[in-house]
Amino acid sequence: EPEVTQTPSHQVTQMGQEVILRCVPISNHLYFYWYRQILGQKVEFLVSFYNNEISEKSEIFDDQFSVERPDGSNFTLKIRSTKLEDSAMYFCASTVGRAFYNEQFFGPGTRLTVL
Amino acid sequence: AQSVTQPDIHITVSEGASLELRCNYSYGATPYLFWYVQSPGQGLQLLLKYFSGDTLVQGIKGFEAEFKRSQSSFNLRKPSVHWSDAAEYFCAVGLPMYSGGGADGLTFGKGTHLIIQP
Repeated sequence: EPEVTQTPSHQVTQMGQEVILRCVPISNHLYFYWYRQILGQKVEFLVSFYNNEISEKSEIFDDQFSVERPDGSNFTLKIRSTKLEDSAMYFCASTVGRAFYNEQFFGPGTRLTVL
Repeated sequence: AQSVTQPDIHITVSEGASLELRCNYSYGATPYLFWYVQSPGQGLQLLLKYFSGDTLVQGIKGFEAEFKRSQSSFNLRKPSVHWSDAAEYFCAVGLPMYSGGGADGLTFGKGTHLIIQP
């Protein structure tokens, strides 16, 4: 069964460093998403991406964040200068089409620890 | 702003017993409603969803959920749990575009951690 994959599973970085989190969505999916979950808090929507541009973003997704689909398979989230409060689990998701009746398939997540 | 509340952080249930996980949402219109499950090391997996129609929806793994408009609730149930049901369960909502919501981002609750006792 096709699945969303994410690498690495755990990333440790120093405050101020740039990190890139990688995702490989399901191959025939067209919409891609990033969510994050700070420990003990809710899963929060960050951004959606379609046709090589951001479709929607939350207020969390500020100028420190960027997304890219550098090739036909990968979907990346870059945090330019990490802060302690960026420590969280980051989930990638993909779906065949927009609107909620198209199921969002989630990856296993990348745990980011900022020291 | 829309919000989702899962009042139980942890629930412990004996194997074979029934289960109900609570979820309440706060929004004027009826959103799209979802339950996801996350097993350790796995991604979030969709258990079931409600958009409209019959308020009792069936999902995978023997789960069902009932939408109650008057209570703004969408509680998840299972008549008899198995040890493999131990996981984190998330309720989520999405706003239809015609309600002014973004068509993309789901709003999640904090999750309920389900522990199964032998």
